[in-house]
Amino acid sequence: DGGITQSPKYLFRKEGQNVTLSCEQNLNHDAMYWYRQDPGQGLRLIYYSQIVNDFQKGDIAEGYSVSREKKESFPLTVTSAQKNPTAFYLCASSETGGANTQYFGPGTRLTVL
Amino acid sequence: GNSVTQMEGPVTLSEEAFLTINCTYTATGYPSLFWYVQYPGEGLQLLLKATKADDKGSNKGFEATYRKETTSFHLEKGSVQVSDSAVYFCALSDQSMDSSYKLIFGSGTRLLVRP
Repeated sequence: DGGITQSPKYLFRKEGQNVTLSCEQNLNHDAMYWYRQDPGQGLRLIYYSQIVNDFQKGDIAEGYSVSREKKESFPLTVTSAQKNPTAFYLCASSETGGANTQYFGPGTRLTVL
Repeated sequence: GNSVTQMEGPVTLSEEAFLTINCTYTATGYPSLFWYVQYPGEGLQLLLKATKADDKGSNKGFEATYRKETTSFHLEKGSVQVSDSAVYFCALSDQSMDSSYKLIFGSGTRLLVRP
């Protein structure tokens, strides 16, 4: 079964701690994306990657970091520099070379206490 | 810059009622347009898409037509069911300077269908 997995589904952390969210895909997609969703709002792009070992900042990259060492994996680290980290985080992937459909994972809800 | 505007929700309907969720966009060029649906606590699922003017996307009884003259992509369904209760997002593809494509989302419209 092809798809995108995110783990864990719920994550709690104390203020000041870094936390890493996992995203794995087996769709053989080159492009991967991280979005943040706040209640009653649309999705905002944090980081994206078009190919292994390369990534670009999105609209709200401050306080976040990513890596893309493998095609299948695109982990997101929420650092202590992120002022309001509590949110729902969604990972997506797509083919490259055009306005292709993005496929989303189930999301991780991060709560910082 | 490019943007998407959706009607505010929540939209509350009785089962079997007709649904319209308005979506308008601002874009340079000719973006592809998408509707995604999000059920409670889940990620987004593609509902339908259209890649050029006058294209009609359709899926599971939902339809939307890419109207370039009115810069709109309104979502419609003839007869809603309780199971259609969800949040619906309109989005457009936006090509960046590095030739990558990103999605720009509207703020979402919550639909509640009552039996």
